[in-house]
Parts: sequence; structure tokens; C-alpha cells
Amino acid sequence: DAMVIQNPRYQVTQFGKPVTLSCSQTLNHNVMYWYQQKSSQAPKLLFHYYDKDFNNEADTPDNFQSRRPNTSFCFLDIRSPGLGDAAMYLCATSPMVGLSTDTQYFGPGTRLTVL
Amino acid sequence: GDSVTQMEGPVTLSEEAFLTINCTYTATGYPSLFWYVQYPGEGLQLLLKATKADDKGSNKGFEATYRKETTSFHLEKGSVQVSDSAVYFCALSTTGGGNKLTFGTGTQLKVEL
Repeated sequence: DAMVIQNPRYQVTQFGKPVTLSCSQTLNHNVMYWYQQKSSQAPKLLFHYYDKDFNNEADTPDNFQSRRPNTSFCFLDIRSPGLGDAAMYLCATSPMVGLSTDTQYFGPGTRLTVL
Repeated sequence: GDSVTQMEGPVTLSEEAFLTINCTYTATGYPSLFWYVQYPGEGLQLLLKATKADDKGSNKGFEATYRKETTSFHLEKGSVQVSDSAVYFCALSTTGGGNKLTFGTGTQLKVEL
């Protein structure tokens, strides 16, 4: 089945130690998104890629970076995690950008713990 | 800016009870409206959507109607099951917003036997 896969499902890191989260998709979608979801809160968009075009949300901290080496993979890098970065990180995909009718397809998420 | 307001939870119902989760929105332009469901420890799954006024989205016994005049998209189900226990998110996207999803804060539903 076509899907969005996130690895690892659970990640523990230390305060200030860089960490990378991975997302892959077999849907061949052009757009990939990263959301941060803190406990009992709504998901918050960090950034998205339309093909290789990177789009950062205005309030996303510089501590968060992303890479998309090819259509299938997208990475979220947290350069110096703080305690406030502990959250569930959700990857999503959609076929196009600019079409509000498109559904976004979410992966299962990576739960990040910062010690 | 765009925003979504959902009724606060948790909502606790007995099995086979009727469910309504209220959702209202504020948006520029003509948004598409979505309900996503999140089961414990999992990511979000699309439950249903509606892309224009008066459209009704439906799936797995859930339904919601896009009401432009009241800017609402309330989720309903006639008879809930224990397996429906989850967090439900109402969301919108607008074409001018680059297909960005704006979510409500979520409503936790707990269904008991």
C-alpha cells in the first residue's frame, strides 16, 4: 500500500544534541510537510517542500531545518534541541500545492523526547 | 487570519449514543474543510472533507455539512462505538494559503460501554 513512513517512531535525545527525523513516501506526491504537535495541542506547520522549493513558516525557529534529497524522502533536523522541542513530529504529503481541496496524508509521527 | 474553533473536550458518551462535535471557522476566500481523526499514539487520518458550500462529507458513519452561512462544519454520527474513541480535529485550507492546513485544537472523544 502507498503510504507515508516515519522513522524512528520514538526518538530520545539530549539537550543540545542534534537530531534528525526521517520521512519517506511511496505516494509520489510533490509536496511534503512537517508539523510539530505538542501535547494536547493542534499540529502546527513548520515548513513544506513543493518539489525542491522550500517554504518556511514565518514563526518557525531557526533551530529547525529540513532537507529533501529526492521526491521520496524528507528530513527534519533540529540543530540544538531544547526541552521545549519535545513533541510529536508529523510528516504529511499532498499531490500539489495551491489546491485547497487536496487531502494531506499523514505519517504515524515521531515522538521526540529531550532529556 | 484563518482560524478554526472546536468545542472543548473531553466528550464522554455511552456506546450507541449520538455524537455532535461543533466546529466553526474564519477564513478569507473559500476554504476547504476537513475532519481528521487521531487514534492514541498515531498520526492523523482523514475522516472526511467538503470543498464547497452545502457539500456533505461522509465516511464510516460520520458526516459533516459545509455551512457557509453559519461558517460551520459540525461532525455528527448517529451511533458511536468504543472504537471511535480518539481525538478529532477540524481543519481548513485555502488556496491562497498554499494549501496550509489550519487546525482546531482538537476534541477528545471517549466512548464507554
